[in-house]
Amino acid sequence: DTAVSQTPKYLVTQMGNDKSIKCEQNLGHDTMYWYKQDSKKFLKIMFSYNNKELIINETVPNRFSPKSPDKAHLNLHINSLELGDSAVYFCASSLRGSSYNEQFFGPGTRLTVL
Amino acid sequence: DAKTTQPNSMESNEEEPVHLPCNHSTISGTDYIHWYRQLPSQGPEYVIHGLTSNVNNRMASLAIAEDRKSSTLILHRATLRDAAVYYCILRSEAPNKLVFGAGTILRVKS
Repeated sequence: DTAVSQTPKYLVTQMGNDKSIKCEQNLGHDTMYWYKQDSKKFLKIMFSYNNKELIINETVPNRFSPKSPDKAHLNLHINSLELGDSAVYFCASSLRGSSYNEQFFGPGTRLTVL
Repeated sequence: DAKTTQPNSMESNEEEPVHLPCNHSTISGTDYIHWYRQLPSQGPEYVIHGLTSNVNNRMASLAIAEDRKSSTLILHRATLRDAAVYYCILRSEAPNKLVFGAGTILRVKS
């Protein structure tokens, strides 16, 4: 059983396009996250949602819009893709966003913008 | 965000114990110490966490200094599958997020 799943695994697209990445967790968690890992391998949080409500937005350009239709899903829509958006995007979830709860990560979506 | 300092890389022989150090001299009283690892081409994976006392689980042990300014992740018998980047992270209640540093690249030799 996959705990945190993401689709697609790979995404290759042209500059200027709009694309979405989907994330689903079947762990019953109420907090979900999006992280970005750039070419230098640094992992940085982008967004966090708790019970469908945005609680962390790390100064991400507004071309990125997360959407949480329910507690089990957190999708990431990116408008007007730029070369610098190329990265691996990881979704994660946890049971309540508290400092002692572990986060479970998905396998990642490798986005390449040409 | 409280910072952690880890060695860039470490090497170990298979079947031997590995001690991965982490310094966090600016830790506050309510910060939890978390360890995650990232195997090649995979998402980060939770390893262990603790607050003040040493912790053991099926994956590893976490030894926390009495003043909490440093900690050590202990893999009791390294295997090739343990080769990964290991991240030591301080997690506070607010804002509640994982702040990843550069981590330690662990290489395991057979």
